[in-house]
Amino acid sequence: SQTIHQWPATLVQPVGSPLSLECTVEGTSNPNLYWYRQAAGRGLQLLFYSVGIGQISSEVPQNLSASRPQDRQFILSSKKLLLSDSGFYLCACLKQGNEKLFFGSGTQLSVL
Amino acid sequence: GENVEQHPSTLSVQEGDSAVIKCTYSDSASNYFPWYKQELGKRPQLIIDIRSNVGEKKDQRIAVTLNKTAKHFSLHITETQPEDSAVYFCAAGVPNRDDKIIFGKGTRLHILP
Repeated sequence: SQTIHQWPATLVQPVGSPLSLECTVEGTSNPNLYWYRQAAGRGLQLLFYSVGIGQISSEVPQNLSASRPQDRQFILSSKKLLLSDSGFYLCACLKQGNEKLFFGSGTQLSVL
Repeated sequence: GENVEQHPSTLSVQEGDSAVIKCTYSDSASNYFPWYKQELGKRPQLIIDIRSNVGEKKDQRIAVTLNKTAKHFSLHITETQPEDSAVYFCAAGVPNRDDKIIFGKGTRLHILP
């Protein structure tokens, strides 16, 4: 079964600073990868998904971007963080042919 | 695109009673309907899922039903226990088409002693 590595677990950043969150997957090849964001006490908002290297689909226009430089690596970035970027960021993986979506352990981002 | 509505947003049930959470979806092409349980500060965990060729699926105290005609599906938890307290999310999508899975806003379930 696949393993999803996501780090850091907690991050505190000042407004206007850059962001880079990394997600890597083991145990599967050519997975679909996703970034979701969860505001405090709220639902799961799909931010980006990728079906392959270099292929990124954006669901919500915002100051965030995503990249997939390798098959099992998915990166979420921002050049300048906003207060509204605070939240719990979850990377998820859908194994080809499996159709089950599994989540990484998440990064709690606080923008101050 | 797909839109998933989930009700209720909060649910309190007496320990030992049953809990039912309902979801509706908009895209008739959706064929995969998972349910997740999320405890405070942790990742959502897949607890059960159903595909469109099945009307009902059961796993011990948890069951899911699907009505494709009405485009709604439900989670049923019987004989609730304190450890069932959590936030539950439904989702819908077509993983083999556009590869998106869209979530409902969640239901906070409280099991009362």
